[in-house]
Amino acid sequence: QVQLVQSGAEVKNPGASVKVSCKASGYTFTSHWIHWVRQAPGQGLEWMGVINANDGTVIYAQKFQGRVTLTRDVSTSTLYMELSSLRSEDTAVYYCARDHSNSNCWWFDPWGQGTLVSVSS
Amino acid sequence: SSELAQDPAVSVALGQTVRITCQGDSLRTYYASWYQQKPGQSPALVIYDKNIRPSGIPDRFSGSSSGNTASLTITGAQAADEADYYCNSRDTGGNSWVFGGGTRLTVL
Repeated sequence: QVQLVQSGAEVKNPGASVKVSCKASGYTFTSHWIHWVRQAPGQGLEWMGVINANDGTVIYAQKFQGRVTLTRDVSTSTLYMELSSLRSEDTAVYYCARDHSNSNCWWFDPWGQGTLVSVSS
Repeated sequence: SSELAQDPAVSVALGQTVRITCQGDSLRTYYASWYQQKPGQSPALVIYDKNIRPSGIPDRFSGSSSGNTASLTITGAQAADEADYYCNSRDTGGNSWVFGGGTRLTVL
């Protein structure tokens, strides 16, 4: 079955960077884009960006431009989200999710299990 | 960029019908997708496109759209449906995606 398995929880100091991984299985890795979404404690979902697993093309949310980097490793079917200059407000659960689309709709399915990133001094 | 507006909270009596709405300019162009999130779990897709349910989603869940409003309807709500629900759409600018703020559904 299609699965996205993410790396474990991270604790970081303010100003540091974090790199979260998302390993895909059960489908042709290069045939789907992958989105990254985060959720701060008690808050809603926030879209961060998307990467084309085939050619590495990325689209970032304006809010995260310059601070987030999405990459992928085709040889291991793994996607990565790196967020730099961390601050306390970046404390959140980070999710990867597989993209699907037609001409009129985009949907995310499945989602990874989430990775908690805690930023604290 | 566009935004998607959802009511923060909605309640429904067990077995009754509830509609959760999502408003935004992008919904005049694109259909919304809907996600259910229970505490401590990842979001799960429940409706996408005009009104398509992924495998395993009960048929009491349905979707509709009119103008700038998308709706998720649960007909005969069950206790298991108590969760947060989020809508999502591509931005009409084309280079981003946006989630609604979420609706917490309580089944009484």
